[in-house]
Amino acid sequence: GNSVTQMEGPVTLSEEAFLTINCTYTATGYPSLFWYVQYPGEGLQLLLKATKADDKGSNKGFEATYRKETTSFHLEKGSVQVSDSAVYFCALPSQGGSEKLVFGKGTKLTVNP
Amino acid sequence: DTGVSQDPRHKITKRGQNVTFRCDPISEHNRLYWYRQTLGQGPEFLTYFQNEAQLEKSRLLSDRFSAERPKGSFSTLEIQRTEQGDSAMYLCASRRSGSGRGGELFFGEGSRLTVL
Repeated sequence: GNSVTQMEGPVTLSEEAFLTINCTYTATGYPSLFWYVQYPGEGLQLLLKATKADDKGSNKGFEATYRKETTSFHLEKGSVQVSDSAVYFCALPSQGGSEKLVFGKGTKLTVNP
Repeated sequence: DTGVSQDPRHKITKRGQNVTFRCDPISEHNRLYWYRQTLGQGPEFLTYFQNEAQLEKSRLLSDRFSAERPKGSFSTLEIQRTEQGDSAMYLCASRRSGSGRGGELFFGEGSRLTVL
């Protein structure tokens, strides 16, 4: 089945720094790709998604581009805030048509003022 | 929209006891999912329902685990004869079918199980 490899953390940045969290995938076909975020004490929530190659997902200043050439979906933000401190998960369906999502191990981001 | 709710939020039990978790999905969502998350890992799929039908089960779901969604609304996940390796956060999520390939999963806050 499909799989995802995510940059492991933790990552500690100062406010207004540039963020990149790497995610690469192995998949049959071109599945949808997702970034989920888990803020402290809260459930996971979808941050952004891309449903086909070359799509760019964006939300709350975060962006990720679906790159089939490099099988990557790296998460970026130009200027992080303290409120972005959370755990970020890259995910994709386990195989075509499956409802099962496969998640990366997560990257914990801490942003200091 | 009250979100996905899970109960209890925390459960501490002794090895060998049975535990049951409940999930109430968002009301109009007909698909419901259970995941398990251990420390430092991403969520792992356990099972999912469309309405009351359980359509997919992971090999992680041993015969000690059973999930139900009897009326297509709330769901329960029961673990019998708990083992220390069952200690984890059990996550429930829901979504509406027909929301496409990029359909967003809505997660609850999870039920944390500690087996002593």
